[in-house]
Formats: sequence, structure tokens, C-alpha cells
Amino acid sequence: GESVGLHLPTLSVQEGDNSIINCAYSNSASDYFIWYKQESGKGPQFIIDIRSNMDKRQGQRVTVLLNKTVKHLSLQIAATQPGDSAVYFCAEKRTGTASKLTFGTGTRLQVTL
Amino acid sequence: EAGVAQSPRYKIIEKRQSVAFWCNPISGHATLYWYQQILGQGPKLLIQFQNNGVVDDSQLPKDRFSAERLKGVDSTLKIQPAKLEDSAVYLCASSNRDRQQETQYFGPGTRLLVL
Repeated sequence: GESVGLHLPTLSVQEGDNSIINCAYSNSASDYFIWYKQESGKGPQFIIDIRSNMDKRQGQRVTVLLNKTVKHLSLQIAATQPGDSAVYFCAEKRTGTASKLTFGTGTRLQVTL
Repeated sequence: EAGVAQSPRYKIIEKRQSVAFWCNPISGHATLYWYQQILGQGPKLLIQFQNNGVVDDSQLPKDRFSAERLKGVDSTLKIQPAKLEDSAVYLCASSNRDRQQETQYFGPGTRLLVL
């Protein structure tokens, strides 16, 4: 069925290195994508979003890349810090679904010292 | 700007009991969402309100779950009767559709344990 999923359930990265979290989506009608960060005991926190008419968008230490050809989304975190340790979710909105987001399972990012 | 508020933060009940959760969205946000997040999974939309009207409740188990947003601001989500599989975190989110922004801002969630 249609889904948003992640390739790796757990990613371990050394402090200071760059992190790359991947996400595959299956619905070519999706027109908006968001990355959320969820720390233990908290609700998801917005990180960055991208629309389907873009390939790349940059924020503070984060970059989202969208490859519509292979339906792939990635989140790059530069100079990963211990505070980046969390579960990261990608979510998609499908055209005409009135802002309904479909979330993937999530990837846990562990930052080691 | 204050974030989305939810209460209670934690709730433990026995199966077949009833429970209610409360959400106060970000001021001015017309759209309100309730999600269910089972441990180890991403949030799943239960119901979406636009002001006080329901936009999407296709994934709400209507035999036991109900939600309302009477004055277009606060919302309550009720489960009656609860089942063991309802154990999850219930997240409330809001967004400001009037500004054509689709970013949803989440509250801290209510963690429900059904015994």
C-alpha cells in the first residue's frame, strides 16, 4: 500500500560528524514533505519542510534533499551534536488531502561522544 | 508565542473505563489535529478540525472514540470504553491554514496506559 518509510531504524553518529537520515515515499502525488524531531517524552518538533517543486532546502545546520525521480527524501544534519539525539520522522502531504500528513516509522539518531 | 497545550500528561486506566484528553491549540490556529502514536511508530491522524467542523475523521474508531471542538478553540478527545490496544501517546497539533501554512505544531502529548 501507499506508505512513507525509512531505510534505517537506528543511526549512530559521532559528535561533530554529519548525519544523513533517509526516507522513501511511494505516492508520487505527494506535494509537501516535513521532517520532525521527537525527543523522549515530547511531541514532534518541526525541523524543516520542502515542497515538491524544490530539490533542496537549507536551514540552520540542516538540509533537506528531495529526489522525486526515485521518491526519496533525506535530512542532512551538519556537525551533529548530542542535542540532536532523537527520533526523526519524515511526513508527506498528498495533493488535495487538506493538510493530512502521513508519517513514516522514524529513525533514531544516536550521537556518540 | 505559547505552544500547543495538552492535559493530562499521563493517564493510567483499566480496560473498559472511559478517559478524556484536552487540547488548547496555538492562539489563532484554525486547524486542530488529534494523532495516536503507538510506541515505536509514527503518529497516525485520528481526526482533523477546521474551526469547529470536522474535515477528516476517516481513521477515528467511531465506536469508541469521539472528539469535539465546540467553540473552534479547545478540543477534547474521548475514549469509551478503552481497550488494551489504545495504550499510546495522544498528540494534539495545530496549524494556521489562513496563512496558507501547512506546518503542524505539536503539543507534548498525553501518554495513556490501559491495563
